[in-house]
Amino acid sequence: ETGVTQSPTHLIKTRGQQVTLRCSSQSGHNTVSWYQQALGQGPQFIFQYYREEENGRGNFPPRFSGLQFPNYSSELNVNALELDDSALYLCASSWGQGEAFFGQGTRLTVV
Amino acid sequence: GEDVEQSLFLSVREGDSSVINCTYTDSSSTYLYWYKQEPGAGLQLLTYIFSNMDMKQDQRLTVLLNKKDKHLSLRIADTQTGDSAIYFCAEKISAGNNRKLIWGLGTSLAVNP
Repeated sequence: ETGVTQSPTHLIKTRGQQVTLRCSSQSGHNTVSWYQQALGQGPQFIFQYYREEENGRGNFPPRFSGLQFPNYSSELNVNALELDDSALYLCASSWGQGEAFFGQGTRLTVV
Repeated sequence: GEDVEQSLFLSVREGDSSVINCTYTDSSSTYLYWYKQEPGAGLQLLTYIFSNMDMKQDQRLTVLLNKKDKHLSLRIADTQTGDSAIYFCAEKISAGNNRKLIWGLGTSLAVNP
């Protein structure tokens, strides 16, 4: 148990729809990072939030956006879903740039 | 560039030692990590090493870092069937305020009884 919880655990969406994934960070952690892990691949960095501001972004299009709230929980929003967005989405929380603890992930399937 | 490479598969017998290798390209790495992922599960941090260290030992795990060759290895002593999983090597790189983890594709470890 890492103290990082993600919801929902599984989700099926239709191409073109929008989705919101949620992450509650471990108590005391002020930094949240989101990763996309396609089947058989390593995680790919999407973006990171520190104290409610985005402070790093990977090679993902603008339809991937996020938020971090005052309690440091976070959301990942994906608009105009494509079939290739099907993946496990992982959230990791940390205190600044310290050790990152991962949640169990949300499995998104786009059909 | 930012790239982390690992061999994809490793098979060992129970009780033997496993050695999983990783190479990376970014010399500005600050930390290097080993994560374990079991089927259908999230990522579990196993161990990490700071880039100015050569070796770190933690119970059955030994991490060796050759910074000159940008080579990282994870040795698991007395490998058990419960060690069967995918092992990811990751490096932390920093560019200004942007810090992120770059991951390998993972090494699938199969432990045979």
